[in-house]
Amino acid sequence: EVQLVESGGGLVQPGRSMKLSCAASGFTFSNYGMAWVRQAPTKGLEWVATISYDGSSTYYRDSVKGRFTISRDNAKSTLYLQMNSLRSEDTATYYCTRGGGLDYGSYGVLDAWGQGASVTVSS
Amino acid sequence: DIRMTQSPASLSASLGETVNIECLASEDIYSDLAWYQQKPGKSPQLLIYNAKSLQNGVPSRLSGSGSGTQYSLKINSLQSEDVATYFCQQYNNYPWTFGGGTKLELK
Repeated sequence: EVQLVESGGGLVQPGRSMKLSCAASGFTFSNYGMAWVRQAPTKGLEWVATISYDGSSTYYRDSVKGRFTISRDNAKSTLYLQMNSLRSEDTATYYCTRGGGLDYGSYGVLDAWGQGASVTVSS
Repeated sequence: DIRMTQSPASLSASLGETVNIECLASEDIYSDLAWYQQKPGKSPQLLIYNAKSLQNGVPSRLSGSGSGTQYSLKINSLQSEDVATYFCQQYNNYPWTFGGGTKLELK
């Protein structure tokens, strides 16, 4: 069974940093691109960042570029999101997602989602 | 950025009815479109990809169609388990973008 388990969320002050982790199991992690998608309270979904299966390519939405870093450790089957200079508008539930890749012809098909990690940016 | 306009924002229907949810892209996305279902308090789940391909395990009552800039999700014979919010997503270009969601309730 495919499982994605996020950790590392919580309350953080504006301007500070936080790192999210996502432990993957039930599939060969190194074969899949991965992405973070966030959802502000009572709002819709917003793509944040994507990383290729081997970590060689990364993509970010403009509002987080230069502040957030997506990375992965294939030996540990773990995805990360380092978030710096956090702002109130970054407050959201952050979902770790698997990009279906070859199974679907694109990383963009998000075929597995974690339960989400809540991040609240407030003083 | 490609804008995804989803309609209606909310929908009330009776058990057994057929419902349609529309998604309009601001430019051609060449069928690089997925539909997700999110039940209250839960994570989104993939329903449809490549505009019309049904994800494993999804009931055949659901179907996707469309091309170019216009896409739709159809739910036949509405069941209580279909109560959820539905989102479309384009993955033709970065940044991947989602529609605003359609909240489906039972009448």
